[in-house]
Parts: sequence; C-alpha cells; structure tokens
Amino acid sequence: GAVVSQHPSWVICKSGTSVKIECRSLDFQATTMFWYRQFPKQSLMLMATSNEGSKATYEQGVEKDKFLINHASLTLSTLTVTSAHPEDSSFYICSANLDGRGGYTFGSGTRLTVV
Amino acid sequence: AQSVTQLDSHVSVSEGTPVLLRCNYSSSYSPSLFWYVQHPNKGLQLLLKYTSAATLVKGINGFEAEFKKSETSFHLTKPSAHMSDAAEYFCVVTSGGGGKLIFGQGTELSVKP
Repeated sequence: GAVVSQHPSWVICKSGTSVKIECRSLDFQATTMFWYRQFPKQSLMLMATSNEGSKATYEQGVEKDKFLINHASLTLSTLTVTSAHPEDSSFYICSANLDGRGGYTFGSGTRLTVV
Repeated sequence: AQSVTQLDSHVSVSEGTPVLLRCNYSSSYSPSLFWYVQHPNKGLQLLLKYTSAATLVKGINGFEAEFKKSETSFHLTKPSAHMSDAAEYFCVVTSGGGGKLIFGQGTELSVKP
C-alpha cells in the first residue's frame, strides 16, 4: 500500500535554531501534501496545504514565515520550523492525498521539543 | 461549512465487550467520512471510510461504521474489544474537493482486562 515516510520521528533543538521535517511518498506521486500540528491530548489542526511546484496555502493564524514549506518534487515535502521556541514544541504530522477521491495516508509523525 | 463532533472524549470498556464511539457531522453536501486510529506518538491509521457507497462500512480489525444521513451520524462499533484497541480515535470529514480533512476532537478508548 501507499506509504508516507516522515522523519525525523523525534528531534530536540535549542531555542532560536531551525528544524527541518521531511515527508516522502515512497511508492506514489503526491501533488498535494498536508501538514498538521497536534498538541498533547488534542486533535490534529491543519497548518498548511503543500502543492508541488507552487506556494503552500496556509491556514488562518499560521505564520508562513515561521513554518516554511517546500514541495519541490512529487515525492518530497518539507516543513522547516524557523527560529524555534518552546511553544513550537508539538507533534507534527504530514499527510498525502492518494487519489483525489478521499484516500489519504499519514506519516508517522515528528515529536519536536524545543529547549 | 463542514464540521464533525465526537460526542465522548473518553470511553472505557472491558475486554470482550462491545465498543461504540459516537460521531456526528455537519455538511452542506454529500460528505466523505473516515475513522482513524492513533496509538501514542504514532501517525494515523485508517480504519474505514465512507464515500457514498454502502452505508454500512466494514473496516480493519473488526471495526465497522454506519452512515446515517437522517441522523447525520457515523458511529464506530466493534462487537468485542481487545486490549490492543486502546488508542485515540478520530472521526474525520472531508472539506469538499480541496482535499482538506476536518478532524473531530478525538475519543480516547481504554480497554480494561
């Protein structure tokens, strides 16, 4: 089946540094990927929609200059958390739309801790 | 606008007893609905999905859900709970052709021995 590989699975970084999270579709091409953020004991909140070859579409309230998204190929989307602060600590999950008819697959998530 | 409401934040059952996780949705047109399961610090796994075919949808691990348009519900059930079913469950509706998923608040399922 379709697999989305996300890494790293966890990362600890110092406040003020940047962290890049990668999301790869292993056996299919993903023109659209989605990035979510999940706080402990809470649901997933969509941050942005990543489109191959074009600018990402950010949800209201998400700072596009802080959460940089790049979708340069049909199999790779990256999320870079710039100048990370402790409040950015969270679980980040990517997802890809498989067939445009409602099929989605999710990455395994990245636990980011900013100290 | 579309939305989804999971009626219980936490459900606790005994092993071997039935599971019922409730979900109501709101949609201005025919929705696609999903149930996902998430184990701690893991991604999401699709249990089942409804996309305007049969209203009773069978999924993996013995789960099933019934789409009831008149009640705007899509409750998840399983006849007999297993310890490994303990996890967080999300009811999800699509946001039209744009592909966005709208997540419910989640229901934590606990299974007692």
